[in-house]
Amino acid sequence: NAGVTQTPKFRILKIGQSMTLQCTQDMNHNYMYWYRQDPGMGLKLIYYSVGAGITDKGEVPNGYNVSRSTTEDFPLRLELAAPSQTSVYFCASQTGLRDQPQHFGDGTRLSIL
Amino acid sequence: GENVEQHPSTLSVQEGDSAVIKCTYSDSASNYFPWYKQELGKGPQLIIDIRSNVGEKKDQRIAVTLNKTAKHFSLHITETQPEDSAVYFCAAPPGGSSNTGKLIFGQGTTLQVKP
Repeated sequence: NAGVTQTPKFRILKIGQSMTLQCTQDMNHNYMYWYRQDPGMGLKLIYYSVGAGITDKGEVPNGYNVSRSTTEDFPLRLELAAPSQTSVYFCASQTGLRDQPQHFGDGTRLSIL
Repeated sequence: GENVEQHPSTLSVQEGDSAVIKCTYSDSASNYFPWYKQELGKGPQLIIDIRSNVGEKKDQRIAVTLNKTAKHFSLHITETQPEDSAVYFCAAPPGGSSNTGKLIFGQGTTLQVKP
């Protein structure tokens, strides 16, 4: 199994451009998450989803949007890229059962110039 | 809400020595405490976890201890090897009755094992 797959691995955007970070998982997990990781910092939750059609804000949602039309996919959308959104973005999934680990993809490294 | 504090932020040890990383949490209702290892250019990978019904769990050279009264848990790595060099994160759920699978992560510890 591939687990959690994120694309692209790297991307450079200009200020004001938009893009979608893709995330797909093949473990039939109900719960999915998007985090950003800034240098020397931990993981900050952007958005999460507990099932298809259900999404909710995390700690740092401003400037981002998500959708969850299928169990497998959880794309993250940046509408108007800003330099403050330069970061490494990680997608994760979890079974949906209580007290279980999250499984992470290898991240998308995004630079806004 | 839950707050997770992790110390130290950096740790350098000689190969073969032990390494200990400590985390404290604030929500006494938290019952699940995973540890993740993040290698350069990769996503965090679960290395060990513990639930509140046990005080210690071991897996080869890695162990985790939990003190629910003091609200802290620690990662112990014995006989460290250069491949243990990475960033380590602790985490804890927010607690409360709703199950969202969310985790609050510590700030991370960069472990360097010198050959």
